[in-house]
Amino acid sequence: EPEVTQTPSHQVTQMGQEVILRCVPISNHLYFYWYRQILGQKVEFLVSFYNNEISEKSEIFDDQFSVERPDGSNFTLKIRSTKLEDSAMYFCASSEMAGLYNEQFFGPGTRLTVL
Amino acid sequence: GQQVMQIPQYQHVQEGEDFTTYCNSSTTLSNIQWYKQRPGGHPVFLIQLVKSGEVKKQKRLTFQFGEAKKNSSLHITATQTTDVGTYFCAFKISGNTPLVFGKGTRLSVIA
Repeated sequence: EPEVTQTPSHQVTQMGQEVILRCVPISNHLYFYWYRQILGQKVEFLVSFYNNEISEKSEIFDDQFSVERPDGSNFTLKIRSTKLEDSAMYFCASSEMAGLYNEQFFGPGTRLTVL
Repeated sequence: GQQVMQIPQYQHVQEGEDFTTYCNSSTTLSNIQWYKQRPGGHPVFLIQLVKSGEVKKQKRLTFQFGEAKKNSSLHITATQTTDVGTYFCAFKISGNTPLVFGKGTRLSVIA
């Protein structure tokens, strides 16, 4: 069964450093998302991406964040200058369509630890 | 923005007991989705409800969407240790908007 993959599974970085989290969405999916989950809390939307541009972003997704689809398979989330509060689990998700009733498939996540 | 409240936050049950989590909104929802997240895992889609009063079953899991489409519930009959995890409800305001998750109910099952 097709699945979303993410690398690395765990990233440890120093405050102020840049990190890039990578995702490979399911191959025939057109809509891509990043969510984050601070330990023990709910899943929060960061950004959605379609047709090589951002569709929607949340208040969390400030100028420190950017997304890119550098090739036909990868979807990346970059945090330019990490802060302690960026420590969280980051989930990539994809869906075939964007309608109300479309299921999103989540990847296994990248645990980001900012020291 | 539009939010959903989930209760309870935590639930500890003996294996074999039933479990129910509730998801409540102050406004009408066009749809509700349920996800399960195992400890250390990622959210996995369980089901979607879209019709008023809709009831769907998956083996020991029963999902309901209220008549007013403002609340939903997930009921597990005769829990097993494999049911352990956090159950989230989520919804979309419209087709192109992201999923909004509730805070989840963490289920522990004691063997």
